[in-house]
Amino acid sequence: DTGVSQDPRHKITKRGQNVTFRCDPISEHNRLYWYRQTLGQGPEFLTYFQNEAQLEKSRLLSDRFSAERPKGSFSTLEIQRTEQGDSAMYLCASSALGGLNTEAFFGQGTRLTVV
Amino acid sequence: DAKTTQPPSMDCAEGRAANLPCNHSTISGNEYVYWYRQIHSQGPQYIIHGLKNNETNEMASLIITEDRKSSTLILPHATLRDTAVYYCIVSSSINYGQNFVFGPGTRLSVLP
Repeated sequence: DTGVSQDPRHKITKRGQNVTFRCDPISEHNRLYWYRQTLGQGPEFLTYFQNEAQLEKSRLLSDRFSAERPKGSFSTLEIQRTEQGDSAMYLCASSALGGLNTEAFFGQGTRLTVV
Repeated sequence: DAKTTQPPSMDCAEGRAANLPCNHSTISGNEYVYWYRQIHSQGPQYIIHGLKNNETNEMASLIITEDRKSSTLILPHATLRDTAVYYCIVSSSINYGQNFVFGPGTRLSVLP
């Protein structure tokens, strides 16, 4: 499968614990995006990388959230001191370089449940 | 905020064409209209996108009005597997990339 891969698919954690999610984009896609989706809502933008550079961050990305893409390939999203409000689906997407005429492809997401 | 408005839900009979409308009256000249769909518990799936000309691929057709203020996604022969939430998106430019701003979408139910 050459699509966007996310791991794990599901994560249950206790409040206050740290969690880390991984995203492997489509090979040679320079752009990588993280989104968050809560029940009944559309995905919301969190952050964006072009190669290893994090170029944009949403106000939704609090200080407890950090994302990296160290070698411009896979990316990780870490949430520290998780709260119940962090329960959501975390989606990763990737796209090739280009202007606004460039579709992004999404992974299947990581569903986080904080208990 | 999303630049698009869509009806919250629609029904379609299996085998018939599903026509999903979208309004994007504030779209700028260089912005594209994208359609994605999301089947329960899965990630959004890319369907099609276009600028001003009508587009067709193996999944769907996209009809964009001449003034570009609205568009229609057409699934020519809907099947039960097309039941999903369909998102119409006008992406915005951010720092050499683009932000796909999702609204609540249209929940399409294909009925047997």
